[in-house]
Formats: sequence, structure tokens, C-alpha cells
Amino acid sequence: GAGVSQTPSNKVTEKGKYVELRCDPISGHTALYWYRQSLGQGPEFLIYFQGTGAADDSGLPNDRFFAVRPEGSVSTLKIQRTERGDSAVYLCASSEGVGDHYGYTFGSGTRLTVV
Amino acid sequence: GENVEQHPSTLSVQEGDSAVIKCTYSDSASNYFPWYKQELGKRPQLIIDIRSNVGEKKDQRIAVTLNKTAKHFSLHITETQPEDSAVYFCAASGGSYIPTFGRGTSLIVHP
Repeated sequence: GAGVSQTPSNKVTEKGKYVELRCDPISGHTALYWYRQSLGQGPEFLIYFQGTGAADDSGLPNDRFFAVRPEGSVSTLKIQRTERGDSAVYLCASSEGVGDHYGYTFGSGTRLTVV
Repeated sequence: GENVEQHPSTLSVQEGDSAVIKCTYSDSASNYFPWYKQELGKRPQLIIDIRSNVGEKKDQRIAVTLNKTAKHFSLHITETQPEDSAVYFCAASGGSYIPTFGRGTSLIVHP
């Protein structure tokens, strides 16, 4: 596609429920990043993929969070047993590769609200 | 890991004035420094970036400078316009290939 697409744009869920957030990167981009942005803060790194594998998941806050990218393109961020503190905008970004000469393109994000 | 500090958190200027936002980073292996503009409710968009082999880069009213010795880099916007009002984020990446973002600067340009 022309840009990074994230769905849904908004998600309201009840505390304790399971949610899935989807990211469709720019075609051909091998690197995919998930970030979380709370109000008034900068994007906070969660996990990044190089191809199908999670190259670094050190930013995932706990084991309720998990992400997959089975075919090296679309990625899904999964959150189990959601808590009110999970409420934030979840941003996805992709780049052609990994390294200092690649720029990152962000999607519009999914605004998750846990009530 | 990398730590990026950004100042100020809020910057208010009159239309036509210049605005400067400063960032410092901790990882000497970082070698790519992008700047993003985020308007309310929208995605961060890359506005300019600089790599460690140059000290300054300019694109029309926007310029970025990098001092690798001091580990700091700055965004300069000249002749500010109301449409420049947004939140600006700096970031640094390199050693781990994971961009680390600053906390953002809310720029307000008064007409």
C-alpha cells in the first residue's frame, strides 16, 4: 500500500478483555516497529520485527502483550486481560531495512481505551 | 540503552520568530537523528533527519544541527507560521537500530 495502515483506528474495550491491533506496513518494508504513545509523551518502543522474527521485544511491558508477523508483512499486536493503564495510542512504523540510512514511516495509530 | 532528553517541553513564539528545540542523547553509537512533527490526533511525520557524517542539514525554513562530541542535536525553524504549531519529537537510533524518542515539544505559534 501507499502508507502504513492500522486498524481499527479506535477501540474501546472492557477491562479484562482481549484485543488485537493490526498493522499493514508499506509493501516491501522488512522492518516493522510497534510503539505506544500516552497523552503528552513521546512514542515508547514495544517490539520490532525484521522479517517474520521479533528481533527485539525488550519494550513489551509484561507477558500480557504479544505480537506476531507470520508472513513478514502484516503484524498483529495482541493484549490479553487488558487493564485501564493499557489505554494509549498504539503506533506502528515500518522501514525498508534496519540501519542508519533508513527512515521510518508511521501509521495513524489505534487509540485503545480500556474502560 | 539509549536515552533521549528533549527541551523545552513547551515553546511559545510569535509568528515570524525563530524556534529552537534541543535534544541530547546518551549512546555514542547512535548515528541517525530524525525529527517528527505530530499534529493533534495525527501520525508523527518525518520532517528532517541528519546522519552522523554531517554537522548540519537545511530544508527551506527548517534546519538541524548535530554535535557528536557533545551528543546533542537541535531543530531550528525560522520565520515560524501558525501552521508550524504542533508537537515535535526528536529521536536517535544506531547501535540497536531502534529509534528512541524524546518526550516532545509543543510548539505554539501565535499569529
